[in-house]
Amino acid sequence: QVQLQESGPGLVKSSETLSLTCAVSGGSVSSGTYFWNWVRQPPGEGLEWIGYISYSGSTNYNPSLKSRVTISVDTSKNQFFLKVTSVTAADTAVYYCARAPRYSYGSGGSYLPDHWGQGTLVTVSS
Amino acid sequence: QSALTQPASVSGSPGQSITISCTGTSSDVGGNNYVSWYQLHPGKAPKLLIYDVSYRPSGISSRFSGSKYGSTASLAISGLQAEDEGDYYCSSYTSTSTLVFGTGTKVTVL
Repeated sequence: QVQLQESGPGLVKSSETLSLTCAVSGGSVSSGTYFWNWVRQPPGEGLEWIGYISYSGSTNYNPSLKSRVTISVDTSKNQFFLKVTSVTAADTAVYYCARAPRYSYGSGGSYLPDHWGQGTLVTVSS
Repeated sequence: QSALTQPASVSGSPGQSITISCTGTSSDVGGNNYVSWYQLHPGKAPKLLIYDVSYRPSGISSRFSGSKYGSTASLAISGLQAEDEGDYYCSSYTSTSTLVFGTGTKVTVL
């Protein structure tokens, strides 16, 4: 059973860069079968998709965040990463990492997350 | 891309059935069969309830069912139980290869 675990600073100063890591166990980030996603949820608000990276390293981002977001992967450590530059209070949120299959199978559908981490709260301070 | 539209809240008594709608456009919900539903509880990982509009992952109760008509998807919960209280989100793959989530629905068991 795959497990994902987010980690990183819980407090980031305004205008600086937010950096998070997602450690994957029970599965491989280099598998050609999955996309690796980041999703966030600001306090009291809904879920917002940030972007994903594929096994090949190709990425796709939410157009509203694209200019400030980078997702990367380290296959040797079985981890993938999120960087958000020039953060403001609006970037305060619980950040989740999630796996999404490329193809539908018995317990998950194509392109949409089937397994998630528990999330980590990042607060942007002024 | 705009969030999919869900009712802010839905409530029901134990044993009753409720339905949550998720309305998008022809560029997302109406354009493919890649719609999922998730249950969120504070401090826990989101749980996948439904994928590909109407399929349940193994281990998910048959009380949860999904459907779609046009650009509106729906999640039905039958035999409502206290443990079903929480927040529910739909999600869809889009025509530009991005993902979009719904606005979220708070389910209350009276």
